[in-house]
Amino acid sequence: SQTIHQWPATLVQPVGSPLSLECTVEGTSNPNLYWYRQAAGRGLQLLFYSVGIGQISSEVPQNLSASRPQDRQFILSSKKLLLSDSGFYLCAWSVGAAGANVLTFGAGSRLTVL
Amino acid sequence: KQEVTQIPAALSVPEGENLVLNCSFTDSAIYNLQWFRQDPGKGLTSLLLIQSSQREQTSGRLNASLDKSSGRSTLYIAASQPGDSATYLCAVDNAGNMLTFGGGTRLMVKP
Repeated sequence: SQTIHQWPATLVQPVGSPLSLECTVEGTSNPNLYWYRQAAGRGLQLLFYSVGIGQISSEVPQNLSASRPQDRQFILSSKKLLLSDSGFYLCAWSVGAAGANVLTFGAGSRLTVL
Repeated sequence: KQEVTQIPAALSVPEGENLVLNCSFTDSAIYNLQWFRQDPGKGLTSLLLIQSSQREQTSGRLNASLDKSSGRSTLYIAASQPGDSATYLCAVDNAGNMLTFGGGTRLMVKP
């Protein structure tokens, strides 16, 4: 069966420090991978998606970047965190034809920037 | 640009009541619509997926309907239980699993 792992689960970082959140998927090949952010009082916002190794699309301009070094690994990074980067970050995956399959989410990583 | 709205934002009901959560979207050219559940501090769990060609989907006490032409979906929960307390999110897929989410309905079912 397929599983998705995110870590760390919680993170407290000072402003200006770097960030690395990791997401890995098991039990499937060539998944579509997504990073969403859920900020306090706001809905879920798509940040990045990837349809294959090294293929990253960004939905919104921001202080963050994403990379996909391996088929089932998706990393969210920042060189210098801002206060506004605080939020709940969710990784998700899907496979198959567009619109045909359920998006499955990880447990999330809560980031607090102080 | 797709916009998804959920009403009400919060709902509190006594145990045993049947209830309806509403979701509306502005662009009817969707692939599908999904309903998710989110417990506090947790990730999202998919409840129901309705393809654009379908009218409804059922899973246990949950029934989701879709009226694409009017841009509406409802999630019906029968005989609510305290364990149903959570935030319910609807999301529409316009372009290959890139979902646009509503703001969610926070449900509290009181024993």
